[in-house]
Amino acid sequence: DGGITQSPKYLFRKEGQNVTLSCEQNLNHDAMYWYRQDPGQGLRLIYYSQIVNDFQKGDIAEGYSVSREKKESFPLTVTSAQKNPTAFYLCASRAGQVAEAFFGQGTRLTVV
Amino acid sequence: DQQVKQNSPSLSVQEGRISILNCDYTNSMFDYFLWYKKYPAEGPTFLISISSIKDKNEDGRFTVFLNKSAKHLSLHIVPSQPGDSAVYFCAADGSGNTGKLIFGQGTTLQVKP
Repeated sequence: DGGITQSPKYLFRKEGQNVTLSCEQNLNHDAMYWYRQDPGQGLRLIYYSQIVNDFQKGDIAEGYSVSREKKESFPLTVTSAQKNPTAFYLCASRAGQVAEAFFGQGTRLTVV
Repeated sequence: DQQVKQNSPSLSVQEGRISILNCDYTNSMFDYFLWYKKYPAEGPTFLISISSIKDKNEDGRFTVFLNKSAKHLSLHIVPSQPGDSAVYFCAADGSGNTGKLIFGQGTTLQVKP
């Protein structure tokens, strides 16, 4: 089954700790994206990557880091510098610009 | 700076009637637009898209209209069904050929039986 998988579904982090969210796709898509959803704020773009070994900051990149070492994988690290990390995180992939994006099921991160 | 705006946070319609969801954008470089549907705690699912070379695209009960001069697009759902109740997001791409995909804030649609 082709698709995009995010893990874990729920994640708890202590303040001051870094945490990494996984995103894997087997759709052979070049582009991958990370979004954050907060209540009433829609989907805000954190980072995106159009090709392996290259990525760009989105609108709210501060406190986050990514890597794109493989086409299939685009992990997101939420660092201790992110002031308000509790949110629902969504990963997406896309074949190209004139194409739909496919989303994973999301990871709910809670800072405790 | 919100480049894609959905100014109506919520919309309520009766089953069988038309639902019209609106979206405005500010960047004239956007050339591809998409609509997504989202349920709580799930990822969005794609509904329909439109290229800037068109002004209308239809897929079953869903039609998207694009007015480039007004920088406005709308999603029409006819007839509306209770299962359409969800949050709807519009998205835009094409700003400087970066592949950056930007979403609006979403509109919550409630279809009443």
